[in-house]
Amino acid sequence: QQQVKQSPQSLIVQKGGISIINCAYENTAFDYFPWYQQFPGKGPALLIAIRPDVSEKKEGRFTISFNKSAKQFSLHIMDSQPGDSATYFCAASRRSGGSYIPTFGRGTSLIVHP
Amino acid sequence: DSGVTQTPKHLITATGQRVTLRCSPRSGDLSVYWYQQSLDQGLQFLIQYYNGEERAKGNILERFSAQQFPDLHSELNLSSLELGDSALYFCASSVEPGLPQQFFGPGTRLTVL
Repeated sequence: QQQVKQSPQSLIVQKGGISIINCAYENTAFDYFPWYQQFPGKGPALLIAIRPDVSEKKEGRFTISFNKSAKQFSLHIMDSQPGDSATYFCAASRRSGGSYIPTFGRGTSLIVHP
Repeated sequence: DSGVTQTPKHLITATGQRVTLRCSPRSGDLSVYWYQQSLDQGLQFLIQYYNGEERAKGNILERFSAQQFPDLHSELNLSSLELGDSALYFCASSVEPGLPQQFFGPGTRLTVL
């Protein structure tokens, strides 16, 4: 059972363009939604995260948009740069037994052409 | 650099063998998580330890086991290895289980031949 669905699987954008990656979840108990960036040969790195009580969070060129009623959230990368080329994972977490355990999307491979 | 270290970086072994992967959490972090990343299953949570005690269990096979030592480093033991166990294994750490932010190590790439 895939609890977090991520799309698209791959994305190619031109330098300076906007990259948009979407995720949808099923479990309404999730209350923490992080995005991770992973470069080849490296571990996932926390990029930005949001709680369901806000609809948008912005950090630099990265913005999360959150739609609680639709159970969807998305990552927007403004002014995309070649250095942003990486795999991006969304995740959804809920506190269970005192621990936050994330469920990850399958990832989006982003290529930004110069 | 997240501050989480993992060794070895690469591991090549044969079916039926046993291997141990090691993880040192960030300084001050008490909780350690293990994940498996493969092409067909994606990034999956295996097991979590907090201050030496098992705290949560995910999709971890019975052939796999883990422990966290008094110095807080953790080891993931994989036994009776099968071809399908070939994957990237990541360790992550957090200050405590109640905080959702996790910091991932660079991973160990396991190849089972």
